[in-house]
Amino acid sequence: SQQGEEDPQALSIQEGENATMNCSYKTSINNLQWYRQNSGRGLVHLILIRSNEREKHSGRLRVTLDTSKKSSSLLITASRAADTASYFCATKDTNAGKSTFGDGTTLTVKP
Amino acid sequence: DTGVSQDPRHKITKRGQNVTFRCDPISEHNRLYWYRQTLGQGPEFLTYFQNEAQLEKSRLLSDRFSAERPKGSFSTLEIQRTEQGDSAMYLCASSLVPTSGSVNEQFFGPGTRLTVL
Repeated sequence: SQQGEEDPQALSIQEGENATMNCSYKTSINNLQWYRQNSGRGLVHLILIRSNEREKHSGRLRVTLDTSKKSSSLLITASRAADTASYFCATKDTNAGKSTFGDGTTLTVKP
Repeated sequence: DTGVSQDPRHKITKRGQNVTFRCDPISEHNRLYWYRQTLGQGPEFLTYFQNEAQLEKSRLLSDRFSAERPKGSFSTLEIQRTEQGDSAMYLCASSLVPTSGSVNEQFFGPGTRLTVL
């Protein structure tokens, strides 16, 4: 199974509401990244949080990392219809060059 | 456009044929990755290069798959004797790994969608 597992698998909200997605992982990590993917397109990097960081902000995005629980969350505030996409977390193991992705959360923001 | 590019964007082929995909990374990036993504799943790691050296290959990369990065710039991924199960989006990513650090933000290309009939 994938190292990162996102929860929930699907999320549907109204425009203006906040969206929270969670990611759990199993091994020690160097960093964790969140990506967005619009249907049929490549992945767009959103934010990277290092293992020694607990929280990071970028615009309407807020990411937290709890290494003791091996979990991360992505919060999108004041969501817009354009935020509709799949969101993936990816972990980079301490000794690995690759990133390992979960199966994503599909977010639908209704106008 | 200075991002990662992939060619072709779409490929339809018949079972048993060979296909080759190309990836051009961001020019100063020393690492290049190949991933495969099927519908409803996250990307699965296939292989990655640091400059021209192939440093890791997934067990998903059967002997029908081969990847090269001959001059440490662009890369090709070849699939021989394609099977219907090879139908997927093949994603390429690149990153710059400095000698002093390990932060590793990957930039993805748009992908090549392969359909094997």
